[in-house]
This record gives sequence, C-alpha cells and structure tokens, in this order.
Amino acid sequence: AQSVTQLDSQVPVFEEAPVELRCNYSSSVSVYLFWYVQYPNQGLQLLLKYLSGSTLVKGINGFEAEFNKSQTSFHLRKPSVHISDTAEYFCAVSPPQGGSYIPTFGRGTSLIVHP
Amino acid sequence: DTEVTQTPKHLVMGMTNKKSLKCEQHMGHRAMYWYKQKAKKPPELMFVYSYEKLSINESVPSRFSPECPNSSLLNLHLHALQPEDSALYLCASSQGTGGRGPPAEQYFGPGTRLTVT
Repeated sequence: AQSVTQLDSQVPVFEEAPVELRCNYSSSVSVYLFWYVQYPNQGLQLLLKYLSGSTLVKGINGFEAEFNKSQTSFHLRKPSVHISDTAEYFCAVSPPQGGSYIPTFGRGTSLIVHP
Repeated sequence: DTEVTQTPKHLVMGMTNKKSLKCEQHMGHRAMYWYKQKAKKPPELMFVYSYEKLSINESVPSRFSPECPNSSLLNLHLHALQPEDSALYLCASSQGTGGRGPPAEQYFGPGTRLTVT
C-alpha cells in the first residue's frame, strides 16, 4: 500500500517570497505522484504530476516539484507567491500501471500568503 | 469542455429528509467518483463507478445511495442522515480507473456543501 505524508499543516509566507511545501511518500513499488490545489469553496484542481522521466516537473500557476527517489520526496515549490495562491494543497500518490489509479491524498497543507 | 458540474451548491436538510446530489460531466469520461470532505481534511473516497457500474464502495453507510443513470450523470441519494454527515461532497470524473499506461487525471466539481440539522 502507498501513503503520503505532508509534514506541514500550515505554511505562512509573505507575498513575493519563495515557498516550499513538503511531501514524502511511502511505497515498495514505483508510484505516480500528484499535487492538487483547492481554493476556498472550490473543488480540487491538478497542479502537476510526476509519471516518469525528468524529475523536475512544471505545473500551472508557476509551481514546480522535484521527484527525489532516494529521499522518497516530491516537494512543491514556487519562487514568488501571490496572495491568490492562498489555498489548501494536497499531495497524492497512486500505484503504477496495472493497479487502480485512484489517488491516496495526504492530509493537506494550508498555504497562507500575507501582503 | 473540461467541467464537472454539481447541484445544488448548498443543501440544508433535516435528519428525516430525503434529498439527492447531482453531478454531470460531458468529457466522455467513463469513471466517476463521490468523495466526502470535512473542513481542513483531504477528500475521502466514497464510491467509484466505472462504465456505469459500481466498482468501489468504501464501506459507506446505506443512508448514502449512489446511482449512475448514464455515462454523464452521477447521483447521490441521501436519506436519514446524521449531523456528522455534514461536509463538502465532491464529484470527480476521469477517463478510466486503471490499466495500462499512465493514470488519467481526475477532474473535480466545485462540490455541494451539505448541512444536516
């Protein structure tokens, strides 16, 4: 079985500062990894995904994440955040092909951007 | 059109009421999902439909009854709910749920905010 740990429940940051949201996964097999964002009163939206290939993945809204197999991590980064990035961010994992792709979500990290 | 729509946006119901949540997608997706989400928590999977057949039921109480009338529609019928069932109910869809090749992206609707009084 796969699991995901998001180490920070809340990350406060000032506008235009860089941010990193941490995600570690646990799995005995290779996995697919995702970051979703949930803005207030909305559903989830896929930010980016790692399937294979390059370990640096670029997503929407200027976000990127790096897959690190040796550290079993998939941290999300943005070099300069905006007020509008305030949202809940979920890391998720799903097992490789042949199994169900239904993701397992981490507990979420609240990104709070202050002016 | 990459949109999943859900109605109603908000619903307040008593414990003896019967109501339904509706979800619709026109992306030709063959997998549809119901999730329950409490505040500041991740979504919890409730049901999965694949090709209009129920494929996963995550031990959800029988007071929640899903229905998939066709490949574009997904309903969740509610009856005799409890106050602890108050939550955001999210619908999602994807091209499939598994098999060969990379996983299909899930598209989520905006959710129905349910309050049980």
